Amino acid sequence: SQKIEQNSEALNIQEGKTATLTCNYTNYSPAYLQWYRQDPGRGPVFLLLIRENEKEKRKERLKVTFDTTLKQSLFHITASQPADSATYLCALEGSSYKLIFGSGTRLLVRP
Amino acid sequence: DAGVTQSPTHLIKTRGQQVTLRCSPKSGHDTVSWYQQALGQGPQFIFQYYEEEERQRGNFPDRFSGHQFPNYSSELNVNALLLGDSALYLCASSLDGREGLFSSYEQYFGPGTRLTVT
Repeated sequence: SQKIEQNSEALNIQEGKTATLTCNYTNYSPAYLQWYRQDPGRGPVFLLLIRENEKEKRKERLKVTFDTTLKQSLFHITASQPADSATYLCALEGSSYKLIFGSGTRLLVRP
Repeated sequence: DAGVTQSPTHLIKTRGQQVTLRCSPKSGHDTVSWYQQALGQGPQFIFQYYEEEERQRGNFPDRFSGHQFPNYSSELNVNALLLGDSALYLCASSLDGREGLFSSYEQYFGPGTRLTVT
């Protein structure tokens, strides 16, 4: 069956460290993979999109990798700050026009 | 530039009733998608509207229906409400991609409508 898996346990790190979140998928062949941030009670906010022919993408302190062989994407936040605390969602296209989300990983950055 | 807006913010309904949720997309966007998000879960795709037609649907029963208007705004209707329909309903707008079949450009989400069914 098709699955998108993100670590359901919260990731708790010290301010200044690098946070690494994982997104694994099975039985999909996505052309794109996206990462979103969601704060409590609010809609998700788009962060980055990476295509299947891109290995890595960066935006300021954010970096995403996409390994279609391992069927995995890693999302890194360098020099993390307490303001980075949120739930991070990965999403991919399950079929035409249909975006499928993982259940998200909560990140807590301690001052 | 207004982002995606949704109304109402909160809604309480009784089992068996019907509800209509509304969404205005971000300026310049022509595609609207609706999602249901239960507590602690990721958003679940309900359907997507483009050019006033439903062009993709997720695994939701026919009780869930929608509409897109010529100005690209959209409505989500849910009939015969069940307790399990209680959730945050999110609308997202995007610009239809021009790269062929897989065209999920970044989605801009609204703040959502919190629906509680009692």
